[in-house]
Amino acid sequence: KQEVTQIPAALSVPEGENLVLNCSFTDSAIYNLQWFRQDPGKGLTSLLLIQSSQREQTSGRLNASLDKSSGRSTLYIAASQPGDSATYLCAVGGGADGLTFGKGTHLIIQP
Amino acid sequence: GAVVSQHPSRVICKSGTSVKIECRSLDFQATTMFWYRQFPKQSLMLMATSNEGSKATYEQGVEKDKFLINHASLTLSTLTVTSAHPEDSSFYICSARGGGWGKNTEAFFGQGTRLTVV
Repeated sequence: KQEVTQIPAALSVPEGENLVLNCSFTDSAIYNLQWFRQDPGKGLTSLLLIQSSQREQTSGRLNASLDKSSGRSTLYIAASQPGDSATYLCAVGGGADGLTFGKGTHLIIQP
Repeated sequence: GAVVSQHPSRVICKSGTSVKIECRSLDFQATTMFWYRQFPKQSLMLMATSNEGSKATYEQGVEKDKFLINHASLTLSTLTVTSAHPEDSSFYICSARGGGWGKNTEAFFGQGTRLTVV
């Protein structure tokens, strides 16, 4: 059974810092990996989707990498801003199956 | 990206009543829809997978008679929480994938439904 672990569970940093969120998964047989953002009491905002054949994806200040063989992904956030404060979720799977989510990293960017 | 609409966004119901949540794909035909549940401070957990015109496949530990899923058309799936109890209070969210899409394409998520059973 696939398990997804996110480290750290929580992170609080001053505005402007670059930061890295980590995600690991136990079964490398995945179709894709997605990073989402979830604001309190809200739904999911898809940030980046990495196909299993890809190594990384970039969108603005966000960069996500995927090392499928080692079961790891990182989300890099450059020049963090208070508006980046949210819970960041990593999820793997795809295909006919649904996604398996990690518990998330609760991020606070201090003004 | 494709749009998935979920309704209602928030519902409060009395214990023992049933609640129906709708998930619609607005600009594509969704052959597969997924229903997830998220308890406070927990991750999203897949409840069931439904394919249009066939019975849903439920994850282990999810009661199929309590959480009724109907995927009768290519644009609509419904989740009915029957005889709801306070422990069913949770955040329910659906996602949908299009037919004919490659298996590595993403599923698009609805906005979620916050269910509170009192």
